[in-house]
Amino acid sequence: GAVVSQHPSWVICKSGTSVKIECRSLDFQATTMFWYRQFPKQSLMLMATSNEGSKATYEQGVEKDKFLINHASLTLSTLTVTSAHPEDSSFYICSARDRLGASYEQYFGPGTRLTVT
Amino acid sequence: AQSVTQLDSQVPVFEEAPVELRCNYSSSVSVYLFWYVQYPNQGLQLLLKYLSGSTLVKGINGFEAEFNKSQTSFHLRKPSVHISDTAEYFCAVRKDTGGFKTIFGAGTRLFVKA
Repeated sequence: GAVVSQHPSWVICKSGTSVKIECRSLDFQATTMFWYRQFPKQSLMLMATSNEGSKATYEQGVEKDKFLINHASLTLSTLTVTSAHPEDSSFYICSARDRLGASYEQYFGPGTRLTVT
Repeated sequence: AQSVTQLDSQVPVFEEAPVELRCNYSSSVSVYLFWYVQYPNQGLQLLLKYLSGSTLVKGINGFEAEFNKSQTSFHLRKPSVHISDTAEYFCAVRKDTGGFKTIFGAGTRLFVKA
C-alpha cells in the first residue's frame, strides 16, 4: 500500500516549451501533496505544498507563475514547468500525505528527471 | 525554524563493517526525526522515524538510530553493511505540531566496498 507514482519518469524538452509532470497516489487519497526539487548530489528542496481543491502554497523564492501546480483531485497533482530553460533541469520528486493515515506519514514518488536542452 | 546538518558528505566503508552516519538538528520546538534512503534515480524510502518514547529506534534493513535530545543528534547506525546499502541517506526533521514541511539534510553518500 501507500504507493505514489510519477509520470513521466524522464523527459527531455526544448528551451521555451512547457512540460507537465503528474503525481498520483495509487491506493490512497491524498489531501496534501508536496513538490520537491533535487539538484545533482544535493538535498531535496521543497518547492510547494498543494491541498486538494485549493491553491498551492509556494516556498520563498519559487516562481509560482513558472511552476504551476494543480491538485484537482484527491489522487492527482500536476506540476507544469512553463517556458522551461536549461537551469530548470533537475530531478523533481513529489510526496503525498494519506488523508486517513498518521499525521507524520509522507510517501514519496520515484521522481521525474527533467532535462531542458 | 528547523535545520538539519549531516556532518559527512561521503562515507566509504568495507562490506560487513559497522557504519554510523551523523545527523544533528536545530529546532526551538519539538520535532519528529526521520532517516530516508535514496537509490540512484529513485525517490525516497523511509528507513526509520522517531516520534516519541524510546530514544533507540529500529528501522528496515537492519538500521537503527538513537535520538539524543541534549546533543540534538539522531545518528544512523548499522552493525554490518552490505554492498546493497550503497545509496544516499537523508536525515530529516519536521515539527510535531501542525504543518507538514519537512526539512532535509544535505545527504550522506554511503559507499560500501567489497
